[in-house]
Amino acid sequence: GAGVSQSPSNKVTEKGKDVELRCDPISGHTALYWYRQSLGQGLEFLIYFQGNSAPDKSGLPSDRFSAERTGGSVSTLTIQRTQQEDSAVYLCASSFWLRGGTDTQYFGPGTRLTVL
Amino acid sequence: TQLLEQSPQFLSIQEGENLTVYCNSSSVFSSLQWYRQEPGEGPVLLVTVVTGGEVKKLKRLTFQFGDARKDSSLHITAAQPGDTGLYLCAGFNAGNNRKLIWGLGTSLAVNP
Repeated sequence: GAGVSQSPSNKVTEKGKDVELRCDPISGHTALYWYRQSLGQGLEFLIYFQGNSAPDKSGLPSDRFSAERTGGSVSTLTIQRTQQEDSAVYLCASSFWLRGGTDTQYFGPGTRLTVL
Repeated sequence: TQLLEQSPQFLSIQEGENLTVYCNSSSVFSSLQWYRQEPGEGPVLLVTVVTGGEVKKLKRLTFQFGDARKDSSLHITAAQPGDTGLYLCAGFNAGNNRKLIWGLGTSLAVNP
């Protein structure tokens, strides 16, 4: 079946503008994650959604960042008033998490965000 | 803060050589995963190790989880140009198997 897809693949924006990044997870996967990958910084956890539970937003770096997941499927990560330090690759992953088991996350190709 | 330190950060070798990448921490992990990432793509899971001392083999790749579950290694035998990529280790800490702690990665280049 289809893997995780993300759009756009590249986004160039001006400082101060808002951006929306989209993630389509693998059908049937209950968990969805957002990560940020910066050069020299590794992958940084941002947020995850699990079924109908309240999302874990503990990794969001500021209140300019928000995410939602509609209908338990598609997710949108929104960054308001973008700053240059927001430039990074934003990765989405999904998984079918079994309680007590080890999570296997499947990643999308990412959205490369450049803030000028 | 739990950290996973990977070494070396960069590695450039000739086709046919062997190599080992290390992933170390002072913290205990309930399980540890190795991923490979190519440019423009997301990480792809290679293996999950769960038991201290566990060894898993995937063709020419051998993964080992330390006895104390604080460290892991990835050994590649007879490297090929197709092995080129960024190798990332990531661990789940005890009690929280949802949030992965990531290493910074080892960038491997295998030259023909």
